[in-house]
Amino acid sequence: KQEVTQIPAALSVPEGENLVLNCSFTDSAIYNLQWFRQDPGKGLTSLLLIQSSQREQTSGRLNASLDKSSGRSTLYIAASQPGDSATYLCAVQGGSEKLVFGKGMKLTVNP
Amino acid sequence: ETGVTQTPRHLVMGMTNKKSLKCEQHLGHNAMYWYKQSAKKPLELMFVYNFKEQTENNSVPSRFSPECPNSSHLFLHLHTLQPEDSALYLCASSQEGRSGTDTQYFGPGTRLTVL
Repeated sequence: KQEVTQIPAALSVPEGENLVLNCSFTDSAIYNLQWFRQDPGKGLTSLLLIQSSQREQTSGRLNASLDKSSGRSTLYIAASQPGDSATYLCAVQGGSEKLVFGKGMKLTVNP
Repeated sequence: ETGVTQTPRHLVMGMTNKKSLKCEQHLGHNAMYWYKQSAKKPLELMFVYNFKEQTENNSVPSRFSPECPNSSHLFLHLHTLQPEDSALYLCASSQEGRSGTDTQYFGPGTRLTVL
């Protein structure tokens, strides 16, 4: 059974720092891995999707990498801003429509 | 806005009530999903519909009954719920559920409280 882990559960940093968010998964037989953002009381917004054949994806200040063999992904946020404060979720998709999510990491960027 | 809407946004119900959650997607997608998000737990998939057919039921209790009348609408009918069913219920859609390239688009959720 696939399990996704995100550590730490919460992180508080001053504005301007470069951040690395970690995600690990137990079964490397995945189709893709996605990073989502969730603001309080809101739904999820997809940030980046990495196919199993890819190593990384970039969007603006965000860069996500995937090492399928070791079951790890990182989300890099450059020059963090208060508007980046949210919960970040990692999810992997295996051989069906099913996305398996981690518990998320709550990020607070202080001005 | 994501193109996926959910109503109501908040719902308080007693254990003997019957209520329904509604989800509508305006993205022309063919797959729709119900998820449950409880405090301190990962997001859990409940149901998946592809082209109006249910393709996944993740061992969900029968007090939750989904309905998908067409590819744009998804309902979750609730009856005789328990307090532990209180959670954020999220709806999502994607172009075609079985593809590994799909991105799921989420609605804002319905915050359900069962008294």
